[in-house]
Amino acid sequence: AQSVTQPDIHITVSEGASLELRCNYSYGATPYLFWYVQSPGQGLQLLLKYFSGDTLVQGIKGFEAEFKRSQSSFNLRKPSVHWSDAAEYFCAVVGFGNEKLTFGTGTRLTIIP
Amino acid sequence: GAGVSQSPRYKVAKRGQDVALRCDPISGHVSLFWYQQALGQGPEFLTYFQNEAQLDKSGLPSDRFFAERPEGSVSTLKIQRTQQEDSAVYLCASSPSGLNQETQYFGPGTRLLVL
Repeated sequence: AQSVTQPDIHITVSEGASLELRCNYSYGATPYLFWYVQSPGQGLQLLLKYFSGDTLVQGIKGFEAEFKRSQSSFNLRKPSVHWSDAAEYFCAVVGFGNEKLTFGTGTRLTIIP
Repeated sequence: GAGVSQSPRYKVAKRGQDVALRCDPISGHVSLFWYQQALGQGPEFLTYFQNEAQLDKSGLPSDRFFAERPEGSVSTLKIQRTQQEDSAVYLCASSPSGLNQETQYFGPGTRLLVL
C-alpha cells in the first residue's frame, strides 16, 4: 500500500528566508507525487507534480520539488518565502493503476516578519 | 472558468440526523472523488466515480455513508444517522479523465459538525 510521511507538523520561517518541507513516500514502484497547498477556508490547490522525466520539478508561486528515488523523498523548496505563503502544505502520492490520492498529515507553515 | 463547487459550505447536524452534501464538478470532467478531512489531518479517500459508475468505494467508513452521481455530473454524498465522529470537512475533487497522473481539482469543502 502506498503511504506518505510528512515529519514536520509545524514550521516557522522568517519572511525572505528559504524553505524546505520534507516528504517521504512508500510505494513499490515509481509513484506519481504531488504537493498541494491549503489556505484557511480554501480548497486544496496544486503547487506541482512529478510523474516522470526531470527529477527537479518547477511549480507555481516560485516553488520547486526534487524527486529522489534513493531516499524515497519529494521535498518542497522555495528560496525566499512571502507572508502569503503561510498555509498548510500536503504531499500526496498516487500509485500506478490507482486513481486515489494518499495524503500526508500536512505541514503547517507560519511566516514571521 | 468555474471550478468545483460544494454546498452547503457549513452544516450543523444533530446526532442521528441524515445529511446530504452536494458537489458540482468542473464541467466535462469525467472523474469525481470524495475525501474526508478530519481536524489536523490530511484528506482521506472515500469514493471515486468515473462518469456515473462508482468504481471504488473502499474508503467509505461505514454503510451509513452513501454516494451517487446518477447523471455523471453532480454528485451527492449522503450520511445517514450522523455520529459525532463524522464531524469533518468533506472535500470533492474532479479530474478530466481520471488518469492517475492527472491533477485533481478540489472544491472548498463542506464543514460538517455533528452535535
